[in-house]
Amino acid sequence: GNSVTQMEGPVTLSEEAFLTINCTYTATGYPSLFWYVQYPGEGLQLLLKATKADDKGSNKGFEATYRKETTSFHLEKGSVQVSDSAVYFCALKTQDGGSNYKLTFGKGTLLTVNP
Amino acid sequence: DGGITQSPKYLFRKEGQNVTLSCEQNLNHDAMYWYRQDPGQGLRLIYYSQIVNDFQKGDIAEGYSVSREKKESFPLTVTSAQKNPTAFYLCASSMGVFVQETQYFGPGTRLLVL
Repeated sequence: GNSVTQMEGPVTLSEEAFLTINCTYTATGYPSLFWYVQYPGEGLQLLLKATKADDKGSNKGFEATYRKETTSFHLEKGSVQVSDSAVYFCALKTQDGGSNYKLTFGKGTLLTVNP
Repeated sequence: DGGITQSPKYLFRKEGQNVTLSCEQNLNHDAMYWYRQDPGQGLRLIYYSQIVNDFQKGDIAEGYSVSREKKESFPLTVTSAQKNPTAFYLCASSMGVFVQETQYFGPGTRLLVL
């Protein structure tokens, strides 16, 4: 079946540090890949996505590249801010047997950025 | 503003009681979803609906029920058969169900058992 594996947190960084959160996946077919962010007590917000191999998703200084050869979609940011403190979820979407598509999530990585 | 609203923000359930969580969207999306989030876990799919008057079970549907009588509404009932209902419940919607389409999430409802 489909699965997403994220690096375990928590991750604690100082402001302006470089961020990498690893994400690898197992899926049949050609999935779309997503990063969502969840701030405390809130729902999930889409951060970025990529729908085919070698696509790069980017938003708010975050980037991730869809690497089919390594089945990875690592999240990076060159200089984190305190406001980036949140839980980050990697997810994939693929066909579920018939004609329906479902999101499969990783367990999430808690990022804390200190001033 | 277009978006997804969930109510209430917090909900308390007594033993043996059914409770209903509300989810409304004004994005004109055809597909809607319910997920459950437990601490330190990813989200797990409870039910989803591709179109009005149609819905399918997700990975953890036991103890839950849904209806989809209107395009904009997808309420979730947590029945007394759900033995461990304490969790954060998230509703989502998308234009359709194609693999490249994005799911947008509501703010969530936290359910607690008294």
